[in-house]
Amino acid sequence: QKEVEQDPGPLSVPEGAIVSLNCTYSNSAFQYFMWYRQYSRKGPELLMYTYSSGNKEDGRFTAQVDKSSKYISLFIRDSQPSDSATYLCAMGVSSNTGKLIFGQGTTLQVKP
Amino acid sequence: GAGVSQSPSNKVTEKGKDVELRCDPISGHTALYWYRQSLGQGLEFLIYFQGNSAPDKSGLPSDRFSAERTGGSVSTLTIQRTQQEDSAVYLCASSLDRGYQPQHFGDGTRLSIL
Repeated sequence: QKEVEQDPGPLSVPEGAIVSLNCTYSNSAFQYFMWYRQYSRKGPELLMYTYSSGNKEDGRFTAQVDKSSKYISLFIRDSQPSDSATYLCAMGVSSNTGKLIFGQGTTLQVKP
Repeated sequence: GAGVSQSPSNKVTEKGKDVELRCDPISGHTALYWYRQSLGQGLEFLIYFQGNSAPDKSGLPSDRFSAERTGGSVSTLTIQRTQQEDSAVYLCASSLDRGYQPQHFGDGTRLSIL
């Protein structure tokens, strides 16, 4: 079993829809959580970053962390065709290395 | 530029050859990471540098892989005697410090072994 599980999709939604992307994890020692967006042939781009349970909002994006359930989510409001990309969740344990463990990524397509 | 820079962007080489991949981190970032992204395995950690030291090399897949960092800045990942299974995208990231600091990625080097 992988430490971080993420449904690879693909997920297809109409423009303007609310998108929900999720990851579950097994290691209760994970302390901080990130969401990255990756376009084809580009590097991952940091979208959201949090180290506590609860919600964090930035524009159209909301990151949610539930440490008791070992579950994190990314919500995208008013989705746009430009949001079409692969979304990766990532988690870290130790402040000694900063090594991140990534989910497999979810491919999202937003149709005009 | 302000971001992480990697070169070359693409590299095609024959099996058995050595390759060197370069990473130029964001100025002022003391922590530097190498990851590998392949279709079957997703994004996997290879090595972490703090300054010029590598306290975590746990992700290097074999002794054919090595990395160094000089001047607390540029890093080079070297793969000796390349094998076809080394084909992947090699990504570099940097952060202000280790641990809780967010990591910023370059666009990677796409390595193909013939």
